[in-house]
Amino acid sequence: GAVVSQHPSWVICKSGTSVKIECRSLDFQATTMFWYRQFPKQSLMLMATSNEGSKATYEQGVEKDKFLINHASLTLSTLTVTSAHPEDSSFYICSARESTGRTAQYFGPGTRLLVL
Amino acid sequence: SQKIEQNSEALNIQEGKTATLTCNYTNYSPAYLQWYRQDPGRGPVFLLLIRENEKEKRKERLKVTFDTTLKQSLFHITASQPADSATYLCAPGWGNNNDMRFGAGTRLTVKP
Repeated sequence: GAVVSQHPSWVICKSGTSVKIECRSLDFQATTMFWYRQFPKQSLMLMATSNEGSKATYEQGVEKDKFLINHASLTLSTLTVTSAHPEDSSFYICSARESTGRTAQYFGPGTRLLVL
Repeated sequence: SQKIEQNSEALNIQEGKTATLTCNYTNYSPAYLQWYRQDPGRGPVFLLLIRENEKEKRKERLKVTFDTTLKQSLFHITASQPADSATYLCAPGWGNNNDMRFGAGTRLTVKP
């Protein structure tokens, strides 16, 4: 139980293009989903928290117009990196918390983005 | 400022020994603390959660302690195995919206 998937697992794109990453909770409903970014040998940095049906809350320093988050259902959240640049290359990981209110977060396998 | 520090970037131990990882936090009052395992190129996997009113929690070969006075959590793996080699992340958390922040992690290597 408590499986979270991400798609795609890796993506290479040209600078200036937009990339959409999907995060799905496969066997549970997730009221809240989280998006993280992780650079090599560094910790996970929370980018934003999204609650189903409402606007995402972004962490300080994260541009909401650049990283568009949509959480349209209890099992799906998407992160779109708009006008991607090489410095956006990173490992993006989503996590989801069950609607039952349990505190543990369950993480997806991550998406590696490389912007050329 | 708020800080989460995990004792060392890397820890090497011999198979069969007990691995002890430390997580210290400052300027936090977390209601709970979670430990995760992360393998290279993968997302973290939840291991254990301990609440502020719990001193110790166990799960199979894992044991976590939480000392709110020292502002510290210890994570133990007994009878360690090479398969336990991974990066272990601590994450103090608080609030109803599951506000949580991660430490940088400790990379554990268990040598046969």
